[in-house]
Amino acid sequence: EAQVTQNPRYLITVTGKKLTVTCSQNMNHEYMSWYRQDPGLGLRQIYYSMNVEVTDKGDVPEGYKVSRKEKRNFPLILESPSPNQTSLYFCASSLRNSAYNEQFFGPGTRLTVL
Amino acid sequence: GESVGLHLPTLSVQEGDNSIINCAYSNSASDYFIWYKQESGKGPQFIIDIRSNMDKRQGQRVTVLLNKTVKHLSLQIAATQPGDSAVYFCAGLSGGYQKVTFGTGTKLQVIP
Repeated sequence: EAQVTQNPRYLITVTGKKLTVTCSQNMNHEYMSWYRQDPGLGLRQIYYSMNVEVTDKGDVPEGYKVSRKEKRNFPLILESPSPNQTSLYFCASSLRNSAYNEQFFGPGTRLTVL
Repeated sequence: GESVGLHLPTLSVQEGDNSIINCAYSNSASDYFIWYKQESGKGPQFIIDIRSNMDKRQGQRVTVLLNKTVKHLSLQIAATQPGDSAVYFCAGLSGGYQKVTFGTGTKLQVIP
């Protein structure tokens, strides 16, 4: 089944404890992106990648890192999480090297930082 | 499901009626727009798109209108059904379609 998977789906952690949220797609998509979703603010783009080893900042990159060593994986790294990073996170992928046309979204990761 | 519908403007529509969801965008650099639907507990799902050189595009039961002069998008859903109940977001793409800026969303409630 063609899909975007994220792990974990739910995570409660404490301030300062490094964590990684994994994202994987099995559709051979070029473009991948991370978003966070907060009540009243909609979705905001954190980082995106148009291809392997190519990443760039979205609108809210502070406090996050990403890597794109393989086409299928795009992990989101929080080196030192803080409570303001408590949010619902979505990974998405798109066939071409941009978000043009359809992006496929993962199921989301609910992160709580205490 | 996730409580992403809180703090959102809500549109309540009777089943069978037409729905119109509006979106104002601020980024003048956006030259391509997409409407997404997000059901409770799920990620957003593509509905329809429109390029900035168009002012109207139709899909199955949905129509998107674009007014670049006033930076306004609307999504029209014909014969609204209970399965249309969800949060709807518009998104504008810029920077070679790499950067995506979402609107804050509208919750659509369909009354049976």
